[in-house]
Amino acid sequence: AQSVTQLGSHVSVSEGALVLLRCNYSSSVPPYLFWYVQYPNQGLQLLLKYTTGATLVKGINGFEAEFKKSETSFHLTKPSAHMSDAAEYFCAVSDSGNTPLVFGKGTRLSVIA
Amino acid sequence: NAGVTQTPKFRVLKTGQSMTLLCAQDMNHEYMYWYRQDPGMGLRLIHYSVGEGTTAKGEVPDGYNVSRLKKQNFLLGLESAAPSQTSVYFCASRSSGQGMYEQYFGPGTRLTVT
Repeated sequence: AQSVTQLGSHVSVSEGALVLLRCNYSSSVPPYLFWYVQYPNQGLQLLLKYTTGATLVKGINGFEAEFKKSETSFHLTKPSAHMSDAAEYFCAVSDSGNTPLVFGKGTRLSVIA
Repeated sequence: NAGVTQTPKFRVLKTGQSMTLLCAQDMNHEYMYWYRQDPGMGLRLIHYSVGEGTTAKGEVPDGYNVSRLKKQNFLLGLESAAPSQTSVYFCASRSSGQGMYEQYFGPGTRLTVT
């Protein structure tokens, strides 16, 4: 069965600092991996996805993530945090195109001025 | 396109009451999903549908029923609400097309059961 672990339920960074949100997954087959962002009182919005091909994927708002099969990881990064990045971030995995996504418990990102 | 819409946005129920949450999508998506979101628990799948007339159980289906009579609509029913069903409910949909694996989410319904 698939599972997703997001290390750190709350991460706090200074404005302009590097953002690193960690995601590890378990899957018996090559996975499809996603990062979603949720702003307060809103639904989830896709940040980026990995399905096949290049392991470094770029998303919206300057975020990117790298699929590392050997480490079963898909960490999310952004070189310079902005106040508007404050939100909750969810990593999700599917082991095929037809199975529902399994979500991690989420990481709340705070950005300090 | 409106995308995925959910009705209502807020609801307060008393224990034992029933209600139906409506999810509608205008993207002609085959797959639709209902999740609940609770603090510290992430999103947990309640039920899902891979096409009109089909439904399947997710991780936490007890106390809920669903129907997909029309492709664009996915209804979530609570027959006898319990305080444990206080949550934010999200609907999502996605295409069945090859490589089109991302899910599109609605804005959510905040349900309180007293």
